[in-house]
Amino acid sequence: KAGVTQTPRYLIKTRGQQVTLSCSPISGHRSVSWYQQTPGQGLQFLFEYFSETQRNKGNFPGRFSGRQFSNSRSEMNVSTLELGDSALYLCASRRAGGGISYEQYFGPGTRLTVT
Amino acid sequence: AQTVTQSQPEMSVQEAETVTLSCTYDTSESDYYLFWYKQPPSRQMILVIRQEAYKQQNATENRFSVNFQKAAKSFSLKISDSQLGDAAMYFCAYRSASGNTGKLIFGQGTTLQVKP
Repeated sequence: KAGVTQTPRYLIKTRGQQVTLSCSPISGHRSVSWYQQTPGQGLQFLFEYFSETQRNKGNFPGRFSGRQFSNSRSEMNVSTLELGDSALYLCASRRAGGGISYEQYFGPGTRLTVT
Repeated sequence: AQTVTQSQPEMSVQEAETVTLSCTYDTSESDYYLFWYKQPPSRQMILVIRQEAYKQQNATENRFSVNFQKAAKSFSLKISDSQLGDAAMYFCAYRSASGNTGKLIFGQGTTLQVKP
């Protein structure tokens, strides 16, 4: 079974631009979560989608948004990029359900650099 | 709000020896899950071990085991017979058992160096 895939793997953008990152979950997984990883703030939860609905949202400004499509693929968008948005963005998917076995499977990440 | 703290930014261990990584957390919930994830230089997060809060028995996965102290809100990871491939950043994570959420709250991570 193919793992979580993220595209692109690397991205360089300029301040003020916007960017869209894509995540394809493992087949059969309907929940997708996004995390931002930086050296200073560590791993922070951005949002979680399930069946095209945002279920949870982290403490990020409105410039960060996301969506999920009917095939469970997800995109996240960051508008008006700032230098501080430079980070590794990780996507994780899991099957629907609340038990401990419904674990997160992570993708390889997208490394975003804002100049 | 829940928080997770890893107080050891870096640790090192000699190959074949044992090392313990510390993690404490804060929560008012009684039911939750705890995890240890490994992130090697490739950046691919890999689940190492998981623990359900209502289970008193400590989880074990081959060379990896945890010491779960619910009252103390402590969740340490022990790696036995350390191997070079264990070198990575290790993250402790918390997930609520309510609300059917997949949201993970991570600690700051511990970088483990394994010396040959």
